[in-house]
Amino acid sequence: GESVGLHLPTLSVQEGDNSIINCAYSNSASDYFIWYKQESGKGPQFIIDIRSNMDKRQGQRVTVLLNKTVKHLSLQIAATQPGDSAVYFCAENRGTSYGKLTFGQGTILTVHP
Amino acid sequence: AAGVIQSPRHLIKEKRETATLKCYPIPRHDTVYWYQQGPGQDPQFLISFYEKMQSDKGSIPDRFSAQQFSDYHSELNMSSLELGDSALYFCASSLTSGERDTQYFGPGTRLTVL
Repeated sequence: GESVGLHLPTLSVQEGDNSIINCAYSNSASDYFIWYKQESGKGPQFIIDIRSNMDKRQGQRVTVLLNKTVKHLSLQIAATQPGDSAVYFCAENRGTSYGKLTFGQGTILTVHP
Repeated sequence: AAGVIQSPRHLIKEKRETATLKCYPIPRHDTVYWYQQGPGQDPQFLISFYEKMQSDKGSIPDRFSAQQFSDYHSELNMSSLELGDSALYFCASSLTSGERDTQYFGPGTRLTVL
């Protein structure tokens, strides 16, 4: 069925490097996307969101890019720190189901000091 | 800032027993969502409530029921527990604003069914 998924299940980077986590979605009706960070034993923590009428949105050290043509979004983390080590999920909210989030497969980010 | 509160944090039950999970949303939030996350899996939407009415329903088994009370807290009731129900159960809350409302998640309840 329709789903949101990630290209890479794991990503290892050195402290200070930039990280890029990718996500593909298949439902053209999706109009709202969110990135969550989940540390071990904790609930998903909101990082940044983007609506389908935007291509790019920046936050503190994070940037989300949305390419609707190829149904792809990415999360860029600048100057990655050990505290960024976690599982990162992208999630989508589809226009036909207000509020319900559909999560993709997580990517494990490991930052080495 | 106040966050979503869930209780209990850990729960161990036997097969065929019942369990009740509680969720206290962020103050002034009016919508509550329940998600189930199996080991190594992504969270799966179960059910949501807006102003005490069910607003959406996902892959929630018939053995499960939930409700939202007048103080906006929510309870997820699970009966005839099965081994496969062992998972993390997250509650999230949001404030309905007419746009895409950010969902904030609680720390979760880890349910183990023996």
